[in-house]
Amino acid sequence: DTEVTQTPKHLVMGMTNKKSLKCEQHMGHRAMYWYKQKAKKPPELMFVYSYEKLSINESVPSRFSPECPNSSLLNLHLHALQPEDSALYLCASSQPSGGDGYNEQFFGPGTRLTVL
Amino acid sequence: SQQGEEDPQALSIQEGENATMNCSYKTSINNLQWYRQNSGRGLVHLILIRSNEREKHSGRLRVTLDTSKKSSSLLITASRAADTASYFCATDNNNDMRFGAGTRLTVKP
Repeated sequence: DTEVTQTPKHLVMGMTNKKSLKCEQHMGHRAMYWYKQKAKKPPELMFVYSYEKLSINESVPSRFSPECPNSSLLNLHLHALQPEDSALYLCASSQPSGGDGYNEQFFGPGTRLTVL
Repeated sequence: SQQGEEDPQALSIQEGENATMNCSYKTSINNLQWYRQNSGRGLVHLILIRSNEREKHSGRLRVTLDTSKKSSSLLITASRAADTASYFCATDNNNDMRFGAGTRLTVKP
């Protein structure tokens, strides 16, 4: 199984809502990532989990809260978002390769988030 | 934040022609990767080149890396209409992945 799945595919939420994005992989990867991508822009790294521990947090506002319950699952909890947070949210996973960085990342199809 | 720049920002060619995209970066790296993205979808990994490598091939793809100039290029030979997509380089610096701005490639049949 070489697939990263993300749910939901689309999400529309109000600024007072609480929602969660989910990501799952069964490739045995021990690094998982959240990216945010605006239209016609490159993905921007938000969070990295390595061996289920948060290793990188790119100064993301606290209204985004990541969670890694186990090595296969990654969640992104959303609360009190702003309209400018509307974007494609991508999850990825990879296998850390040690001293020379990470191996290739496998991306999910993304969740298209619209904040009203 | 982005690691560097890619050029051109957009490239339009005829089927059968070669396409070359360039990527420059600012910091030292462990490896550099190229990804492809079809409109509004997830990214697909194309090729990874480590910092001690200079050139790598995969099918119709050829990647070069010049660490002294902090630059890389992706060559797609004998392009096909199905190669139409956005192409991003991504640098890995101590497990911190950064994507370039991307090149939008259009291959006309």
